[in-house]
Amino acid sequence: DQQVKQNSPSLSVQEGRISILNCDYTNSMFDYFLWYKKYPAEGPTFLISISSIKDKNEDGRFTVFLNKSAKHLSLHIVPSQPGDSAVYFCAASATGGGADGLTFGKGTHLIIQP
Amino acid sequence: DSGVTQTPKHLITATGQRVTLRCSPRSGDLSVYWYQQSLDQGLQFLIQYYNGEERAKGNILERFSAQQFPDLHSELNLSSLELGDSALYFCASTYGTTNTGELFFGEGSRLTVL
Repeated sequence: DQQVKQNSPSLSVQEGRISILNCDYTNSMFDYFLWYKKYPAEGPTFLISISSIKDKNEDGRFTVFLNKSAKHLSLHIVPSQPGDSAVYFCAASATGGGADGLTFGKGTHLIIQP
Repeated sequence: DSGVTQTPKHLITATGQRVTLRCSPRSGDLSVYWYQQSLDQGLQFLIQYYNGEERAKGNILERFSAQQFPDLHSELNLSSLELGDSALYFCASTYGTTNTGELFFGEGSRLTVL
């Protein structure tokens, strides 16, 4: 049972436009969410996070939005750049439930077209 | 470079065999996590160690075991290997035990079982 779902395996966006990556979760205990970025032959690297007490967190070109009622979060990248081409993983955790690791989605492969 | 070192990078073996994957966490990190990424799957949490003690268990098979040594490096042992165990195995580390900190991932060990 996938508790964190990224329903788009891939997404193609033109350079300079906005990239929007979506993530849905089912576990109501999740209260902390993260996005990781992964290049080929490398491990995932942390990108941005958001706590459930917030609905938005921004870091430069990256903004994460959280809609708790819909159990949905999204990552916006504006403007998209060629170096943003990578696989993006959404992850979630239940901080009150102990250190049980992050639950990851299957990832979305973002391709930025020149 | 995340500071997390995993060896070997690639490993090819036969069904029924046993392998050991090794992970050296970032300097100062006490927690080590192991994740499995199979084809078209997200990162599946296997197990976490904190300062030498098992902290949390995820979807780890009974044929798999892990440990964290006094110098904080960790090993993941996979035995009676099956074709379906072919995957990328990631180690990640962080200083504490909560799930609100970013994890630092190694580059992974790619296991191929023939």
